[in-house]
Amino acid sequence: KNQVEQSPQSLIILEGKNCTLQCNYTVSPFSNLRWYKQDTGRGPVSLTIMTFSENTKSNGRYTATLDADTKQSSLHITASQLSDSASYICVGEGTGGFKTIFGAGTRLFVKA
Amino acid sequence: EAGVAQSPRYKIIEKRQSVAFWCNPISGHATLYWYQQILGQGPKLLIQFQNNGVVDDSQLPKDRFSAERLKGVDSTLKIQPAKLEDSAVYLCASSSQGSNYEQYFGPGTRLTVT
Repeated sequence: KNQVEQSPQSLIILEGKNCTLQCNYTVSPFSNLRWYKQDTGRGPVSLTIMTFSENTKSNGRYTATLDADTKQSSLHITASQLSDSASYICVGEGTGGFKTIFGAGTRLFVKA
Repeated sequence: EAGVAQSPRYKIIEKRQSVAFWCNPISGHATLYWYQQILGQGPKLLIQFQNNGVVDDSQLPKDRFSAERLKGVDSTLKIQPAKLEDSAVYLCASSSQGSNYEQYFGPGTRLTVT
C-alpha cells in the first residue's frame, strides 16, 4: 500500500531556532516528492519538488533532502520565523502521473 | 497572475441537504484537481481532470459526489445528499500539464454538515 508518513505530528520551537521535519514514503515506483506549506485557512503552497535522482533542493531558508534508497525525505528550516508557523505536508507521486499521496502533515508552531 | 478561485469560502448545511462548490483554475492550466481535507489530515484526491476529461476519480464517492468541468475551464463539485462525515475543507488545485507539474491550490471551501 502506498503511504506517506510524517513525523513529528506537531512541533513547537522558539523563533530563530532550526528544525527538521521527517517524511517516510512507500510510494512505488517513485516519481517526485514535494513539500508544501499550508497556512491556517489557506491552500497548500509548494516549497520544493525533487525527482528521485535529486538529493537536495533549497528554497530560501527551506532545504529538502531525499534519500531514494531508504525512501526518506526531510525538510530543514533554518533560523525560523513566526511566519513559519504552519502545516508542512510531504507528498509522494508515483509514475503514471496521477497517483498522488499526501502525508498528514507536521504542524509547526514558532514562538517568540 | 490570478490564483485559483473558489466559492463559497464557507458553507453550513444540514445532513441530507445538497451543496455545490465552484472552482476557477489559473488561466491556461489544463489539469484540475478536487481534494477533500479533513481536519488534522492531509488532502485526499477526489477527482482529477485533464481539460474536460476525467483522469482519476477512484476515490470519489460516486453515490453522493459528482464533479464536472465543462469546456475544460471552471469546475463544480456537488454533494447530494450530504453526510456528517463530509465536513471538511474542499480544495481545488490546477497545474499546467499532467500531474508532474506544480499544483496551485485555491483557498478552499470549508463545509460543515450538522
